[in-house]
Amino acid sequence: AQSVTQLGSHVSVSEGALVLLRCNYSSSVPPYLFWYVQYPNQGLQLLLKYTTGATLVKGINGFEAEFKKSETSFHLTKPSAHMSDAAEYFCAVRPDTGRRALTFGSGTRLQVQP
Amino acid sequence: KAGVTQTPRYLIKTRGQQVTLSCSPISGHRSVSWYQQTPGQGLQFLFEYFSETQRNKGNFPGRFSGRQFSNSRSEMNVSTLELGDSALYLCASSGPLGENTEAFFGQGTRLTVV
Repeated sequence: AQSVTQLGSHVSVSEGALVLLRCNYSSSVPPYLFWYVQYPNQGLQLLLKYTTGATLVKGINGFEAEFKKSETSFHLTKPSAHMSDAAEYFCAVRPDTGRRALTFGSGTRLQVQP
Repeated sequence: KAGVTQTPRYLIKTRGQQVTLSCSPISGHRSVSWYQQTPGQGLQFLFEYFSETQRNKGNFPGRFSGRQFSNSRSEMNVSTLELGDSALYLCASSGPLGENTEAFFGQGTRLTVV
């Protein structure tokens, strides 16, 4: 079964610093990958998705992620952190076009220090 | 376009009781998936309904069940509640299956079992 691993359950950065949240997937074929953000007591909001094509994916709120097949990674980055970015971030995989079920990573809580 | 609506937002139930949660998908979406989110197990897929039929099921006991109505609204039911069922239950709505299928999440129902 396909899975995703998020390295680091907590990441703390200063406001204005680079944000890097790591996600590695296990798959024998290119999967469909997603990053979601969750604010306290809220549902999940889609930040960006990788399907096929361009390996650098741009999302909302200035986030982007690069799909690297050779490293089986899909890390999330943002050049300059903002206080409002403090939230929990989840990487997720959908194995193929035939199923909608998502498998999520364990999540990374991002803290932004003033 | 209205988003995914889950009701109620909060519930407190006693062990042994049963509970029903409701989810109204985005207009035009015929697929509804349910996820359980707990601090210990993270986000786990419960089941998916499409056109009133369960299409996929996660690894949960039979106490967890669901259904979908002709208007695509879905309910999930948990019988004989246990303390460990305390969780945030998230519903996701999706359009047709394909490469660009996205899951749009509701705000969740926070269930507390006492």
